[in-house]
Amino acid sequence: GAVVSQHPSRVICKSGTSVKIECRSLDFQATTMFWYRQFPKQSLMLMATSNEGSKATYEQGVEKDKFLINHASLTLSTLTVTSAHPEDSSFYICSARVRRTVAGGLDEQFFGPGTRLTVL
Amino acid sequence: AQSVTQLGSHVSVSEGALVLLRCNYSSSVPPYLFWYVQYPNQGLQLLLKYTSAATLVKGINGFEAEFKKSETSFHLTKPSAHMSDAAEYFCAVTNTSGTYKYIFGTGTRLKVLA
Repeated sequence: GAVVSQHPSRVICKSGTSVKIECRSLDFQATTMFWYRQFPKQSLMLMATSNEGSKATYEQGVEKDKFLINHASLTLSTLTVTSAHPEDSSFYICSARVRRTVAGGLDEQFFGPGTRLTVL
Repeated sequence: AQSVTQLGSHVSVSEGALVLLRCNYSSSVPPYLFWYVQYPNQGLQLLLKYTSAATLVKGINGFEAEFKKSETSFHLTKPSAHMSDAAEYFCAVTNTSGTYKYIFGTGTRLKVLA
């Protein structure tokens, strides 16, 4: 259980184009999903928190107009990199929050396999 | 605010030797702590988690970690390294209130020597 998928796993695009990345929770409903960015040999940096049916909350320094996030259903969040440039090339990872079933328990995040974006 | 510090960006051990990856945390509220492993071009795989129950946590692939509040540490260990353990390891912290954000450490790359 608690499987998260991402599509595509790899994408190569030309500079100036837009790229959409999908994050799906396959066997549970996720009211909250998170989008991370990871540069080579670095840690994961949280970009934004995506809540179903509402606007995403972006971390400081992340351009909301460049990284459009839509969380249209309880099982799908999308990240669109608009007018992509080579500096946007990175590994993008999503995670989905699982609601705790026991009061006081931990809401865990389950991570997708990541999407490698290369902008030429 | 919460933070995580992983000491040593690179650790090398011989096959069969003890693996010790260090993680220290800072948190103003009781923390929940995680260790994840990442293989090249893949997502994160959960190794183990501390959720305020037992302080010694056993995970997958023979790994374990001990939560020490007095030392604000959550070091990851494995008695005998295997070649397949070579990967990047991340320590993360969160809590049960607020935004449920995970704060990741900078990672430790483990190299296993034959």
